[in-house]
Amino acid sequence: NAGVTQTPKFQVLKTGQSMTLQCAQDMNHNSMYWYRQDPGMGLRLIYYSASEGTTDKGEVPNGYNVSRLNKREFSLRLESAAPSQTSVYFCASSEVQGAGIWTEAFFGQGTRLTVV
Amino acid sequence: QKEVEQDPGPLSVPEGAIVSLNCTYSNSAFQYFMWYRQYSRKGPELLMYTYSSGNKEDGRFTAQVDKSSKYISLFIRDSQPSDSATYLCAMSAANQAGTALIFGKGTTLSVSS
Repeated sequence: NAGVTQTPKFQVLKTGQSMTLQCAQDMNHNSMYWYRQDPGMGLRLIYYSASEGTTDKGEVPNGYNVSRLNKREFSLRLESAAPSQTSVYFCASSEVQGAGIWTEAFFGQGTRLTVV
Repeated sequence: QKEVEQDPGPLSVPEGAIVSLNCTYSNSAFQYFMWYRQYSRKGPELLMYTYSSGNKEDGRFTAQVDKSSKYISLFIRDSQPSDSATYLCAMSAANQAGTALIFGKGTTLSVSS
């Protein structure tokens, strides 16, 4: 059981280049999330998708776009990378949170992105 | 003010010490409170969760939630070198479907043998 799989694990980009971070989960979860983690900043929510066909902005959405391709896959795109986007990116999935329901969120191993 | 505040440490203790980790929050809609543990260069993993106020114990770990003070704690008894990690508190609201987890900054703990 793979859980949440992120690709690639490492990436170096030049300023202005674009790329897509891929995330797939095999737990049949409805909700998926993208977070970034920076030193001293904890995990900050970029975008999330409560269910297939919906996406919502989180705390730090500027400079990113997302696509919920199907129930399994949720991608994060950087259209024009900037050094400020150097970070570790984590994808997570869970069942629907809220409305009296809670389930554990499972995280991928992260993508370490450096923009030079 | 961020919704969730957590002292990032770092915190260094000797093996066998009792460790107390804390978070405060401002959003009264939060009902689910979690502690995640993250080892270096790994993704976070759920350690414990609590619904609403109260205590929950799991082995050497105890989670406490005081909603009246908007304050949560994680206690680690008889700490071990294997407990060295970053501990992140996380919260979510119960009144909205699809609400995402909101995390604190994380506290880095080092337990020396």
